[in-house]
Amino acid sequence: GAVVSQHPSRVICKSGTSVKIECRSLDFQATTMFWYRQFPKQSLMLMATSNEGSKATYEQGVEKDKFLINHASLTLSTLTVTSAHPEDSSFYICSANPLAGEYEQFFGPGTRLTVL
Amino acid sequence: EDQVTQSPEALRLQEGESSSLNCSYTVSGLRGLFWYRQDPGKGPEFLFTLYSAGEEKEKERLKATLTKKESFLHITAPKPEDSATYLCAVQDGGATNKLIFGTGTLLAVQP
Repeated sequence: GAVVSQHPSRVICKSGTSVKIECRSLDFQATTMFWYRQFPKQSLMLMATSNEGSKATYEQGVEKDKFLINHASLTLSTLTVTSAHPEDSSFYICSANPLAGEYEQFFGPGTRLTVL
Repeated sequence: EDQVTQSPEALRLQEGESSSLNCSYTVSGLRGLFWYRQDPGKGPEFLFTLYSAGEEKEKERLKATLTKKESFLHITAPKPEDSATYLCAVQDGGATNKLIFGTGTLLAVQP
């Protein structure tokens, strides 16, 4: 149980294009999903908290117009990196907090974004 | 401000050589402390949640303990497959369930 998937696992795009990353909780419903980014040999930095049916809450320094988050259902959240630039290249990871659980977050396998 | 510090940054052990990883934290009202394992290029894998000082949890060769200021992840007789980065995170008592992560300990277990 508590499986979270992400798609795609890896994406390469040209500078200026937009990229959408999906995060799904496969066997549970999630009130809240979180989006993190991780640079090489660094820890996870929270970007935003996503609640189903409401606007995402962004951490300080994260541009909400650049990183669009949509949490359309209790099992799906999407992150769209708009007008991507090379500095957006990173490992993006989502996590989900089960409705019926305690406070654990279960993480997806991550998406490696490379912007050329 | 909530803060998590992990030590050492890196640890190299021989197979069978037991050791401990440390996670020191400052948080305004601890809701939970979490340990995760992360393999290269993958998302973190949940290991343990600890909620109150004195609590201990075990899973195979791993045992996590918690005090009011720190947590330890004890690894008993490690095997090469235990090699990974171990991440500690805290969750405060606020309205959100967000986690604050430490920078991790990179563990290498040599056969």
